[in-house]
Amino acid sequence: DIQLTQSPSFLSASVGDRVTITCRASQDISSYLAWYQQKPGRAPKLLIYAASSLQTGVPSRFSGSGSGTEFTLSITSLQPEDFATYYCQHLKTYPYTCGQGTKLEIK
Amino acid sequence: EVQLVESGRGLVQPGESLRLSCAASGFTFSDYGMNWVRQAPGKGLEWISFISSSNSIKWHADSVKGRFTISRDNARNTLYLQMNSLRDEDTAVYYCARERRDGYNDFWGRGLRVTVSS
Repeated sequence: DIQLTQSPSFLSASVGDRVTITCRASQDISSYLAWYQQKPGRAPKLLIYAASSLQTGVPSRFSGSGSGTEFTLSITSLQPEDFATYYCQHLKTYPYTCGQGTKLEIK
Repeated sequence: EVQLVESGRGLVQPGESLRLSCAASGFTFSDYGMNWVRQAPGKGLEWISFISSSNSIKWHADSVKGRFTISRDNARNTLYLQMNSLRDEDTAVYYCARERRDGYNDFWGRGLRVTVSS
């Protein structure tokens, strides 16, 4: 199975900051990567697909980049509603797996 | 508006069976593949089952293979997950999620908490 490792696991930041989350794959997954945001008690929300494409309705302060084995999710000018847990997920082959998550907290 | 609503019993004993349903509305259900994804308490997301739009392709994760079966009724716009021989480790929130043709899950239900405990 392909393993995804996110870093950091926890991130503390302030409103207005820029943050970056990294997702590393155990093998080449091309651009078959998604990023999700999840708030407590809520379903995951698709933010980025195909590594760098912004899902309809997602604010442009979110962006994704990378291919192969290293990917990043960046959020510029953090807003209060952005504090949540973020997951990367690959879709290269079954089983699709997720990273362990990055919890973004308010400093 | 796209809506996915999961339903089913929330508490079962180990070894018992349970069927989850996911009622879809606001889109042409028969055009989309569907997934079941679960999240154990305090853990990440685990994709456990997929079914293609026409019912011709099914996939189950090793963790549930032989115990869980995904199915769908396109006439009723409903997705199912038959869960047999339930174990403590199946305790999780279960989500149904719509899969676009490019494979990405763009709409999710609110989730259903299933607890397996004696």
